[in-house]
Amino acid sequence: NAGVTQTPKFQVLKTGQSMTLQCAQDMNHNSMYWYRQDPGMGLRLIYYSASEGTTDKGEVPNGYNVSRLNKREFSLRLESAAPSQTSVYFCASSRKENTEAFFGQGTRLTVV
Amino acid sequence: KQEVTQIPAALSVPEGENLVLNCSFTDSAIYNLQWFRQDPGKGLTSLLLIQSSQREQTSGRLNASLDKSSGRSTLYIAASQPGDSATYLCAVRNQGGKLIFGQGTELSVKP
Repeated sequence: NAGVTQTPKFQVLKTGQSMTLQCAQDMNHNSMYWYRQDPGMGLRLIYYSASEGTTDKGEVPNGYNVSRLNKREFSLRLESAAPSQTSVYFCASSRKENTEAFFGQGTRLTVV
Repeated sequence: KQEVTQIPAALSVPEGENLVLNCSFTDSAIYNLQWFRQDPGKGLTSLLLIQSSQREQTSGRLNASLDKSSGRSTLYIAASQPGDSATYLCAVRNQGGKLIFGQGTELSVKP
């Protein structure tokens, strides 16, 4: 049972490059989330998808786009990476809006 | 806007001590509150989930309480062990479905 799987685990980008962070869950969950974690800032919500076909902005959506490709997959895209986007990114999912959330192991992104 | 605060930011205790971690939130209109553990460089592990209609949940040496009207939750850890050393995060689920986190409490249990 893989749970929530994120790829890649580590990535180094140059300023201005683009990339997509992938997230997939195998628990048949409806809701999926993207967070970033920075020292002293806790986890901040970037985007949220309550169900397939829907997305909603979180606390820090600027500079990011998301795609809920299907029920399993929720990707996060950085169109033009900036050093301020250096962070650890976490994906999470839950069966419904009011049930337990499960997290992936994170993607450590460095933008130079 | 929902804001979640955790106090203290860091805590160091000797092994065997009972301890309490605090979490407060500003908007009481929540679905639930969830406590997580995070080890350095790792993802988040769910510890306990308390629904808005519940007062407390227990799992082993952990007990979490929720007072929705006052916007507070506590995580009680009994007989702490060095293996309990980690960062503990609380998160509230708004009625819009978004999960909002506090900044965490970094716990160190000394042998």
